[in-house]
Amino acid sequence: DTGVSQDPRHKITKRGQNVTFRCDPISEHNRLYWYRQTLGQGPEFLTYFQNEAQLEKSRLLSDRFSAERPKGSFSTLEIQRTEQGDSAMYLCASSFYGTEHEKLFFGSGTQLSVL
Amino acid sequence: QKEVEQDPGPLSVPEGAIVSLNCTYSNSAFQYFMWYRQYSRKGPELLMYTYSSGNKEDGRFTAQVDKSSKYISLFIRDSQPSDSATYLCAMSGTGNQFYFGTGTSLTVIP
Repeated sequence: DTGVSQDPRHKITKRGQNVTFRCDPISEHNRLYWYRQTLGQGPEFLTYFQNEAQLEKSRLLSDRFSAERPKGSFSTLEIQRTEQGDSAMYLCASSFYGTEHEKLFFGSGTQLSVL
Repeated sequence: QKEVEQDPGPLSVPEGAIVSLNCTYSNSAFQYFMWYRQYSRKGPELLMYTYSSGNKEDGRFTAQVDKSSKYISLFIRDSQPSDSATYLCAMSGTGNQFYFGTGTSLTVIP
């Protein structure tokens, strides 16, 4: 049973650089979510896809953030012109939305440090 | 007011103790309630899932939901050092939004 996979696990970058993270969901899942988590806080919703369609974006998601899910499989989250405030754990979760209420399954996350 | 309130702890208990973790919420539309366990530098792991009010038991873990009080609990019996982690409550209604608590840090001392 393959779970949600995220790559890389850790990313250190300098302020102003662009970074891209990848998420591979559980294969039979049709929804994919991106969350951000800082120390001592719960996951904060960023955006989600159903299949290849991006259905919702958080108001907190600035225009420096963009996410894609081509062909409804893996997803990428790109942050342009990173700022120190972007330092956080970026979590991907997938779920099956269908006949019963969905349950989120998370990956191990990508820890981003912006210097 | 936050949608979900959770005491951050930290909570420290001796091995074998019964642990009680709690969350309160304000949105009466929430129907689905979850508990996640998160080890340091790892993603949250789904532990318990309940629908509406009542109890659900799974091994040493019991989840309780009291919708009238907007209060949910997770009990851990015979706690083990391997239970040391942060426990997050989460809830949702009929929409797709999941609302998380801030997490309670638990340490079980051998």
